[in-house]
Parts: sequence; C-alpha cells; structure tokens
Amino acid sequence: KNEVEQSPQNLTAQEGEFITINCSYSVGISALHWLQQHPGGGIVSLFMLSSGKKKHGRLIATINIQEKHSSLHITASHPRDSAVYICAVRSGNQFYFGTGTSLTVIP
Amino acid sequence: DAGVIQSPRHEVTEMGQEVTLRCKPISGHNSLFWYRQTMMRGLELLIYFNNNVPIDDSGMPEDRFSAKMPNASFSTLKIQPSEPRDSAVYFCASSLIGAEAIYFGEGSWLTVV
Repeated sequence: KNEVEQSPQNLTAQEGEFITINCSYSVGISALHWLQQHPGGGIVSLFMLSSGKKKHGRLIATINIQEKHSSLHITASHPRDSAVYICAVRSGNQFYFGTGTSLTVIP
Repeated sequence: DAGVIQSPRHEVTEMGQEVTLRCKPISGHNSLFWYRQTMMRGLELLIYFNNNVPIDDSGMPEDRFSAKMPNASFSTLKIQPSEPRDSAVYFCASSLIGAEAIYFGEGSWLTVV
C-alpha cells in the first residue's frame, strides 16, 4: 500500500475549467507538498502546507489534517497548466510521493 | 541561491559502462536525497544523507548502485555496471534537517542502451 494516494491519475480538461486533484495519505506528517513537473522538465514545488489553505494566483491548495487529505485546485485552467502534479508528504526525515496526476488542458 | 545543481543533465551510455551522477546541494542544507523517477514507479527514494552520513539506503536497488557524500557540498550516485533497466530520471534534492521544505535539482536523464 502506498503511503500517498492521488486521484485522478489522468485528467483532461477544457481551457477555463475548474480542476481539482486529490491526495490522501496514511502517515503522520509535518508538511505536505504539491509539486509540478512539466514534460521533460524538472520538479518545482508549488505549495508547502501544514494546515489550512494557501493560494498562489490561480492555484489553491487545502489540507485537512484530521482527514489526512489535501486538494489542489486550479481555477480558470490554461493549456500551460498541462503538467504532472505530484503530492508529497514529509514524515520524519522521509518524503513519500504520490504517483502523480497527469493534467492536460485543451485549448 | 543557485539551487540544487545536478550533472550531467542528459547521459546516454552503453550497457555495462559505469555511470556517475553528481549533485551539489543548496549551500547550508544538511540533508540530501537521491530519487529515481520512472513512468512505471514514479518517484522512488534511493538513499538519503544527513550531515554527509548515509541514513537510509534501503531504496538502493542492488549492489550495482552506490552513493557517496564526501563533503557537505557534493554527492555522487554511481551505477556500475549499468543496465538498460536503469534508464530513468535521477533527481537530487536537499533540505535542512527538521525543516519542511525540500528543493529539487533539474534531474539527470539517463538512458542505457
């Protein structure tokens, strides 16, 4: 069983749609990260959360510690948002990663 | 800050050859991680160091893989001999022990033919 589960695995949306990616985890954590990876590219950290909600531009990340669940929302999606989004949690000095959600936004 | 620096960015090598991947963590960071990413398995932790000391190498696939961190500013991941199934992207990341943030390098794209 993976410590971090993401859904959906693949997601295709029309430009302008509201998108939600979900992450559930089973270990105690000190922080949760949402990472973005463009095709052929490196990994960029979008958010680091330990409670509540953060917003950066069109991206919003929320976390519910009691339910061990986080969501990443993208408002007014754009083709440049097409990427793999990875949920990662820090537990002790270990990081556990979800398998990623591949998002394609169609113009 | 320059961020985590990895080299080479891309390498194509023949099966049986030795491969050495290099990583320079962010200055001041004392925790360094090596990850491997494949389509099938996603990101997998290979090994991590705290204060240059290997803490957990349980993710290292087999004896062909070895990692060293001779000082706080440099680490290597070596594969000898390399095999086609080692083809993957290898990421190095660094952080401060006990801190929450982690910073990734841009990855080394390895192809073994």
